[in-house]
Amino acid sequence: KNQVEQSPQSLIILEGKNCTLQCNYTVSPFSNLRWYKQDTGRGPVSLTIMTFSENTKSNGRYTATLDADTKQSSLHITASQLSDSASYICVVSAFPGYQKVTFGTGTKLQVIP
Amino acid sequence: DAGVIQSPRHEVTEMGQEVTLRCKPISGHDYLFWYRQTMMRGLELLIYFNNNVPIDDSGMPEDRFSAKMPNASFSTLKIQPSEPRDSAVYFCASSFRTSGRKGYEQYFGPGTRLTVT
Repeated sequence: KNQVEQSPQSLIILEGKNCTLQCNYTVSPFSNLRWYKQDTGRGPVSLTIMTFSENTKSNGRYTATLDADTKQSSLHITASQLSDSASYICVVSAFPGYQKVTFGTGTKLQVIP
Repeated sequence: DAGVIQSPRHEVTEMGQEVTLRCKPISGHDYLFWYRQTMMRGLELLIYFNNNVPIDDSGMPEDRFSAKMPNASFSTLKIQPSEPRDSAVYFCASSFRTSGRKGYEQYFGPGTRLTVT
């Protein structure tokens, strides 16, 4: 069964600090992995998308890494801001059928002043 | 572009009533998805369409749920009869096919918060 597990479930950090969120998956055969940011009361917004041949992808202060061998991904947030407070969801797609996705339950991040 | 539009944003209804959620995808997108999000189960894909044709509805929880896409600019998700356990946020998303294994970037709407009492 395809599964995506994220850790930690929740995290509180001080503004300006860095943090790393983890995603482990068992989806096979792997097609791509996305990280989404979801603000409270809003729909998810894509941060990065990676295929098996990509080890890292950056989007501003967000950097995602992927290890297709160990089936692990991480999302690193640098110099956190209050606006980074949100849920971060890891989503993995199987090949073929790009749209058949498995969602992680998310990490709820709170950045405090 | 206005993005994916969903209506209503909030819906409160009594058990047994019919509920219809509406979605207008981004113009030019050829994939449309319906998701449900709850605290307990997170985001779940219910059904998705390609060029207005339902491709995979294996996520639809039961026969009380149905979805249609009569044209490229409109889709509905209907629940009849509704039950309290249907209370959730329902998201619509759309995407446009690009080449390669990256698949398609999905753009989500703001969601409809459904409460069934």
